[in-house]
Amino acid sequence: DTEVTQTPKHLVMGMTNKKSLKCEQHMGHRAMYWYKQKAKKPPELMFVYSYEKLSINESVPSRFSPECPNSSLLNLHLHALQPEDSALYLCASRWLSDTGELFFGEGSRLTVL
Amino acid sequence: GQQLNQSPQSMFIQEGEDVSMNCTSSSIFNTWLWYKQDPGEGPVLLIALYKAGELTSNGRLTAQFGITRKDSFLNISASIPSDVGIYFCAGQLQNNNDMRFGAGTRLTVKP
Repeated sequence: DTEVTQTPKHLVMGMTNKKSLKCEQHMGHRAMYWYKQKAKKPPELMFVYSYEKLSINESVPSRFSPECPNSSLLNLHLHALQPEDSALYLCASRWLSDTGELFFGEGSRLTVL
Repeated sequence: GQQLNQSPQSMFIQEGEDVSMNCTSSSIFNTWLWYKQDPGEGPVLLIALYKAGELTSNGRLTAQFGITRKDSFLNISASIPSDVGIYFCAGQLQNNNDMRFGAGTRLTVKP
């Protein structure tokens, strides 16, 4: 099983809404990632969790709040987003080592109205 | 953050031609990964490279980890229409979970 599962696939929300994106993997990976990808651009790193602890936060605005409840799950809580936050949000995971392949989910397409 | 310079930005080729793209950086990397992404989907891993000088193949794809650890290339031989998509390189810095992406190479293959 080399699968990273993301839900929902599509999300439309207003600027005052609170919603969450979810990510799950059962490969035993202990590093989990959130990336944001705008159209025709590369994935842009947002957060990295190592052993369920936040290890990298790329100065992401606080309206994005990550959470790693256990080694298999990663959430991204969304609140008071702006239309420019509309993008494809990608979750990824890998083994924690000096080397290791990064596996991606199919992404959650977010539209903020 | 550390920048990966990927080139070319786009390529338009005829079916059957070979393709080459590369990534360079001023930083030293532990790992180079090459991905393909189709519209509306997540990136799919094509090849992973872990050692300087390593040359790895996956079917018609061949990739190399540069000797200086600062660059990598990907070759696609005998291209076919389903090779169309965006190809990204990604690099992992030493002793770091940071995984950065190049800007991508958009490949178009004409039948």
